[in-house]
Amino acid sequence: SQTIHQWPATLVQPVGSPLSLECTVEGTSNPNLYWYRQAAGRGLQLLFYSVGIGQISSEVPQNLSASRPQDRQFILSSKKLLLSDSGFYLCAWHRGYGYGYTFGSGTRLTVV
Amino acid sequence: EDQVTQSPEALRLQEGESSSLNCSYTVSGLRGLFWYRQDPGKGPEFLFTLYSAGEEKEKERLKATLTKKESFLHITAPKPEDSATYLCAVQAGNDYKLSFGAGTTVTVRA
Repeated sequence: SQTIHQWPATLVQPVGSPLSLECTVEGTSNPNLYWYRQAAGRGLQLLFYSVGIGQISSEVPQNLSASRPQDRQFILSSKKLLLSDSGFYLCAWHRGYGYGYTFGSGTRLTVV
Repeated sequence: EDQVTQSPEALRLQEGESSSLNCSYTVSGLRGLFWYRQDPGKGPEFLFTLYSAGEEKEKERLKATLTKKESFLHITAPKPEDSATYLCAVQAGNDYKLSFGAGTTVTVRA
């Protein structure tokens, strides 16, 4: 069966520090991968998605970047965090058309 | 641009008091409509996929239905453990991505 791992679960970082969140999927190959951010009381905002190794699409301009160094690994990064980067970050994967997403457990990022 | 609107934003129910959540959508070429449940501090958990108007899916006290313009999530005789935020999402056209609504937060009091 397929599983998705996301870590860390919580993170408190100072403004201006770097960020690296990692997401891995097991039990499938060539998944479509997604990074979402969810602000308190708000919906899911798509940040990045990837349909293959090295293929990254950005949905909104921001202080973040994403990379896919391996087929089942998706990384969200920042060189210098801003206060506005605080939020709940979710990684997800799916097979393609007609399939829903499977989400990771999320990372609560607080920038102080 | 695909639009998904959920209502109400919040719903407070007494245990056993049945109710419905609404998800209205404006898309071209619906491929699937998805319902998720999200508990505080956790990732959304998949509930149902609906593909065509008239389709219905059930799971325990939850029943999802789909028309050409909206979907309903019916909660029958809810229990406190049904308290959560329920998210609706659509996939349409040639786009892999899901467009999510803002969610309905359901609170069931014992």
